[in-house]
Amino acid sequence: ETGVTQSPTHLIKTRGQQVTLRCSSQSGHNTVSWYQQALGQGPQFIFQYYREEENGRGNFPPRFSGLQFPNYSSELNVNALELDDSALYLCASSLSSGATNEQFFGPGTRLTVL
Amino acid sequence: RKEVEQDPGPFNVPEGATVAFNCTYSNSASQSFFWYRQDCRKEPKLLMSVYSSGNEDGRFTAQLNRASQYISLLIRDSKLSDSATYLCVVNPRGGSYIPTFGRGTSLIVHP
Repeated sequence: ETGVTQSPTHLIKTRGQQVTLRCSSQSGHNTVSWYQQALGQGPQFIFQYYREEENGRGNFPPRFSGLQFPNYSSELNVNALELDDSALYLCASSLSSGATNEQFFGPGTRLTVL
Repeated sequence: RKEVEQDPGPFNVPEGATVAFNCTYSNSASQSFFWYRQDCRKEPKLLMSVYSSGNEDGRFTAQLNRASQYISLLIRDSKLSDSATYLCVVNPRGGSYIPTFGRGTSLIVHP
């Protein structure tokens, strides 16, 4: 069984640029959630995708957008990068949507915005 | 008041000690609760779910107190390898899925 994978592992961008982060869900999982984790803080929920549809969204501006593909892999896109976007971006997959499902996290992408 | 609050610590305990963390939540309609463990610069890993009746997994015990709106994690016989940050997550009931993580509690177990 393959776990959750994310790419790239590290990324450096400058303010105003755009970035795309990728996530492959664990085998058998159809739901992917994205989180932003700043240093010293807990993960902040960005949004969740279930069967290619957005299923919930946290308090993030529209420049954070996502996609889920038919194979349940997912992308997180961030436009017009700001310095405060520097963080660890985590992807988590689960068997299905819904509050009782356990989530399994990937290793994350560390984004630095200069 | 924050939706989910945890004491950031650090909790410094000797090997073999018993240590407990609490996590308070403000939404009384919260449905499900979990504890995750996160090692430095690594991803969170699920430690255990928290059930209304409480649950135990080896040295770890999780409890839910709905009346006072908190969950707890008890670690008995602490090991050096238990040193990590412990994150609680609270999921709402119904509507869109918007989980809320606490900022985590840092545990340092020393020899």
